[in-house]
This record gives sequence, structure tokens and C-alpha cells, in this order.
Amino acid sequence: NAGVTQTPKFRILKIGQSMTLQCTQDMNHNYMYWYRQDPGMGLKLIYYSVGAGITDKGEVPNGYNVSRSTTEDFPLRLELAAPSQTSVYFCASTINTGYGYTFGSGTRLTIV
Amino acid sequence: GENVEQHPSTLSVQEGDSAVIKCTYSDSASNYFPWYKQELGKGPQLIIDIRSNVGEKKDQRIAVTLNKTAKHFSLHITETQPEDSAVYFCAATGANSKLTFGKGITLSVRP
Repeated sequence: NAGVTQTPKFRILKIGQSMTLQCTQDMNHNYMYWYRQDPGMGLKLIYYSVGAGITDKGEVPNGYNVSRSTTEDFPLRLELAAPSQTSVYFCASTINTGYGYTFGSGTRLTIV
Repeated sequence: GENVEQHPSTLSVQEGDSAVIKCTYSDSASNYFPWYKQELGKGPQLIIDIRSNVGEKKDQRIAVTLNKTAKHFSLHITETQPEDSAVYFCAATGANSKLTFGKGITLSVRP
């Protein structure tokens, strides 16, 4: 099993550009999450999904959008990139609440 | 909502010594407490977890203890090795059923 796969691993984006961070999992997990990690700040929840067709905002959703058309995929969209969105982004999934998350290897995004 | 705090932010130990990392949480309804290890350039990896109906859990050199009354839980690593050097995150599942993470602690094991 590949687990949780994120692409790309690195990306430099100019202010105002848009991009989609891809996340796919092959474990048939219903629950999927997007986090951002900034130095010394831990992991902040951006958006999450409890199943295909269902998404909800987390702690820091502004500037981002998500969709969940299939169980496997949970892409994160940045529409108008801003320097404050420079961060490392992690996608995670779990079979159910109250169980550990499996994380992807992350996408390091720099906005210039 | 849930608030999880980790202190201190860094910890340095001599190889072979034990390391203890503590976390506190605020939501008394929290019932699941995982610990994650993050190595440089990688995603967090689950290393051990504990549920609220258990006071202690061990897995080889690592153990986790939970004190529900005081609302804190700790990660214990014995016989530390250089490969234990990493960032460690604690987390708690609160009433909203989502994990809330602490800010992480950087553990350095000196050879």
C-alpha cells in the first residue's frame, strides 16, 4: 500500500497565482484532513472531510478550498496565493474518529 | 474547543538516558491521545496512542501514561538512541472528534 500520497513535494508560486495540492489515499479511509505546519506552531487544521461529497472548515480555512468527489482524493486549492500561505502542507487520513491519522510526506510551498 | 499544550519546546538528553515529554489538554471529554514522531523532511508518524479507559501503554522502549484527573499525558522513551532525535507531537481528540495537536517538542539525543 502506498498510504497517503501528496504531490508536488515542492513548489514556488508567485503572489496571486493559483494551484492545487493533490492528496490521494489507498486505504479506503473515509476521513481526510489538510493541515499546514509553520515553524514552532504545530499543525493547524485547514479543511477536513468525513466522506465523499462532504467537506467542512477547520481552524484556518481562509484562502483555501477543497473538494471530495471520491473516497481516495482530497485536493486542496489555493486561488490567490499570498505570502502568508508559505508553509508545509500535510494531508492525512483515518478510518474513523478516535484512531490515529496516516500522514503524507508533505508539500513545501513558497509564495514569492 | 480543545487546547493541547506541550512544554518545553526543546529537550536534550544523553544517549542511553530516558526522555519524558509532557502534554496537557483542556477538554475533559477527550478520549484518544496519540503521539507522533516527525523526522526532518517527513510527515508525522504515529508511534503510540492511548485511550481514556487506560492509564498506561507500552511498546518496547516507548510508553505513554495518562492522568485524566489532572488532564495530562506523557511520552516516556527509555535507552534513548540518536535515531530518536526528532520532533514529537502530542494530540487529543476532543468533543468535536477531531485531533488537536500540540506545538511539538524537538528532542535531541547527544551521542
